[in-house]
Amino acid sequence: GNSVTQMEGPVTLSEEAFLTINCTYTATGYPSLFWYVQYPGEGLQLLLKATKADDKGSNKGFEATYRKETTSFHLEKGSVQVSDSAVYFCALDTGRRALTFGSGTRLQVQP
Amino acid sequence: SAVISQKPSRDICQRGTSLTIQCQVDSQVTMMFWYRQQPGQSLTLIATANQGSEATYESGFVIDKFPISRPNLTFSTLTVSNMSPEDSSIYLCSVERGALGTGELFFGEGSRLTVL
Repeated sequence: GNSVTQMEGPVTLSEEAFLTINCTYTATGYPSLFWYVQYPGEGLQLLLKATKADDKGSNKGFEATYRKETTSFHLEKGSVQVSDSAVYFCALDTGRRALTFGSGTRLQVQP
Repeated sequence: SAVISQKPSRDICQRGTSLTIQCQVDSQVTMMFWYRQQPGQSLTLIATANQGSEATYESGFVIDKFPISRPNLTFSTLTVSNMSPEDSSIYLCSVERGALGTGELFFGEGSRLTVL
């Protein structure tokens, strides 16, 4: 079956540090890949996506590249801010139009 | 984007009772999804609700426990029946917007249920 594996959190960084949150997946076919973010007290929202191999999704300074050879979709940001503190979920869709989510990674950015 | 409203936003329930969660979307959508997020865990799909047909349940979820209604293209309800403390979770409604098959979902803010 389909599955998504994320690095465990929490990840604690200082402001302006470089961020990487690892995500690998197992899926049949060619899934679309997503990063969702859940800020404190808010609902889940889409951060970025990539629909085919070698695509790079980007938004708000975050980037992730769809790597089919390593079945990965790692989230990166060059300089994090306190406002980036949230829980980040990696997810995939194999065309069923319902998502399989990873376990989530909590990011805490300290001033 | 889509505006998705869920009610109630939170509730405290007694063991053995049932609670119905409502999901209202600001525009017509074909498919609506119900997810569960147990404390400290990820989201798990409960079922997919299509208008005019029975909901499709994922493995581990059954209609008797989580009956779903989908009377029109903007509204759905999820009932959590005969609740136990293990049902304490956040229940989220979501819809797909944009081009078909993109998998981009919009979520409501969730209904946080605590079962005593």
